[in-house]
Amino acid sequence: GESVGLHLPTLSVQEGDNSIINCAYSNSASDYFIWYKQESGKGPQFIIDIRSNMDKRQGQRVTVLLNKTVKHLSLQIAATQPGDSAVYFCAEKAADSWGKFQFGAGTQVVVTP
Amino acid sequence: NAGVTQTPKFRVLKTGQSMTLLCAQDMNHEYMYWYRQDPGMGLRLIHYSVGEGTTAKGEVPDGYNVSRLKKQNFLLGLESAAPSQTSVYFCASLGGRGKQPQHFGDGTRLSIL
Repeated sequence: GESVGLHLPTLSVQEGDNSIINCAYSNSASDYFIWYKQESGKGPQFIIDIRSNMDKRQGQRVTVLLNKTVKHLSLQIAATQPGDSAVYFCAEKAADSWGKFQFGAGTQVVVTP
Repeated sequence: NAGVTQTPKFRVLKTGQSMTLLCAQDMNHEYMYWYRQDPGMGLRLIHYSVGEGTTAKGEVPDGYNVSRLKKQNFLLGLESAAPSQTSVYFCASLGGRGKQPQHFGDGTRLSIL
């Protein structure tokens, strides 16, 4: 079946720099996408979402970009802080799905001083 | 506001033992889910429920059973635990069919010896 995301790589970022985390999806029928943050020993926390009729959405220090042409989703974190160290993963929902999501494995972000 | 609460947080079982994981949500959500999270992999859906009294199989249902006798609770049972069921289990809930993110609990870490 179709799946979302990457194997679990690590992104090392210096404090204060911007982070970019990528996610490839393969289901062209997906119409809703979410980024989650998961800290060690915790459950996934919602960061930001985007619908397929949008290309970009901004939140507080985070921006999600959606490129439907190449089926690519990215999360940008501005001025990365030590508290941003976590695993980040994307999720997608197909348009004909009532509430089933496919999840990527995630990217480990490590913020260095 | 507690959100989604999972009990227990940790458990060690011997092969063949049984146990029940409890998920409770206080958001009056219709949909509830059980996932397992294994290293290097995205969340995989075990079972889900679209309302009180209903349950359905997800992607990896074998060896698990569920019940949703009350809207706020979703129970996951292991009748005869196997080492392959060692994992972190997450419960999630969702308010409805619209484009909105799931809310997750903090997980149950289960080891089967």
